[in-house]
Amino acid sequence: EVQLVESGGGLVQPGGSLRVSCVVSGFNFNVYWMSWVRQAPGKGLEWVAHIKNDGSEDYYVDSVKGRFTISRDNGKNSLYLQMNSLRADDTAVYYCARDGGWGAVDFWGQGTLVTVS
Amino acid sequence: DVVMTQSPLSLPVTLGQSASFSCRSSQSLVYIDGNTHLTWFQQRPGQSPRRLIYKVSNRDSGVPDRFSGSGSGTDFTLIISRVEAEDVGIYYCMQGTHWPYTFGQGTKLEIK
Repeated sequence: EVQLVESGGGLVQPGGSLRVSCVVSGFNFNVYWMSWVRQAPGKGLEWVAHIKNDGSEDYYVDSVKGRFTISRDNGKNSLYLQMNSLRADDTAVYYCARDGGWGAVDFWGQGTLVTVS
Repeated sequence: DVVMTQSPLSLPVTLGQSASFSCRSSQSLVYIDGNTHLTWFQQRPGQSPRRLIYKVSNRDSGVPDRFSGSGSGTDFTLIISRVEAEDVGIYYCMQGTHWPYTFGQGTKLEIK
């Protein structure tokens, strides 16, 4: 069974940093691109960052470029999002997502809430 | 960035009736390989999103055949042929042809 389990969310002050993690199981992690997608309270979905299966390429939405870093450890079946210089508008549930190809996420984690206040 | 515009934003439907969701993109979603990377997701209240349809019209396993996707270029549609109570939620379209991938704002399906 495919599982994606996020952790690391919490309350952080504006300008602070936080790292959220995602541990996956049930599939060959090093074959898939992985992503972070976020959802502000009561709002829609927003793609945040995307990383190639071997970690050699990563992509970011403009609003987080230079502040967030996506990374992965294929040996630990883990995906990470390091978030620096956090702002109030970064407050959201952050979902770990397995990319089934060109953004067609086929598995989602349960999400971890990051509150910047 | 490609803007995805969904309509309507709210869709009240009677049980057993059909529901039609529209999604339009600001640019063509046809990729250089000829594929069109348009995906539909369902998000039930309090849950993570779930993929329903990928590449315009391919239904995921476990998704009832009441759900169907169609369209091309910049204009796409999701249809639920006989709405059931479990279909309540928000439906998002998403394009994966151009980076950054972008979602529509969502259409909220509710039962009349």
